[in-house]
Amino acid sequence: DIQMTQSPSTLSASVGDRVTITCRASQTISSWLAWYQQKPGKAPKLLIYKASSLESGVPSRFSGSGSGTEFTLTISSLQPDDFATYYCQQYNSYWTFGQGTKVEIK
Amino acid sequence: QITLKESGPTLVKPTQTLTLTCTFSGFSLSTSGVGVGWIRQPPGKALEWLALIYWDDDKHYSSSLKSRLTITKDTSKNQVVLTMTNMDPVDTATYYCARRRAAAAGGAFDIWGQGTMVTVSS
Repeated sequence: DIQMTQSPSTLSASVGDRVTITCRASQTISSWLAWYQQKPGKAPKLLIYKASSLESGVPSRFSGSGSGTEFTLTISSLQPDDFATYYCQQYNSYWTFGQGTKVEIK
Repeated sequence: QITLKESGPTLVKPTQTLTLTCTFSGFSLSTSGVGVGWIRQPPGKALEWLALIYWDDDKHYSSSLKSRLTITKDTSKNQVVLTMTNMDPVDTATYYCARRRAAAAGGAFDIWGQGTMVTVSS
């Protein structure tokens, strides 16, 4: 099974900060990686698919990059609505989620 | 508008079998490349993929839970059903169903249901 490791587990940041979350796969997954945002009590929301494609309706401050085993999600200027937990997910071989990164207010 | 909604019991006893139904609208599970998956999330923990069924009835299961899971579809009713046998308190979680978009369109889980909380307790 492919394992996904996110870092950091928790990130404290302020509105306006540039935020970067990293996701590493235990073996190569090409670009078959997605990023989701989840708020308490809500279902996950797709932000990025195929490592760098922005889902329709998602603000352009979100971007994704990487291929192979190393990926990043960047929020260029953190907004109040962005405080949430973020998950990466590989779908090269079945489906595996990372353990999540909680972005909290500094 | 595409929607998915999970339904099933909120409380099951240990050793019982859980049956969850995902009823969807706005897309067809007959469309090439489309799938519906189940994902769960224990309270305060991460998401865990459980199973997925494709438009052509191809089925995939989590390796750690494969012996306990069965996924089926009823295309005419726009429903996908997940059964999980021998439930244990560690299976207490919110269970989500989600549409898996065709690979040509990106292949991720693009639309999710609201989730249904299942508690396993005697």
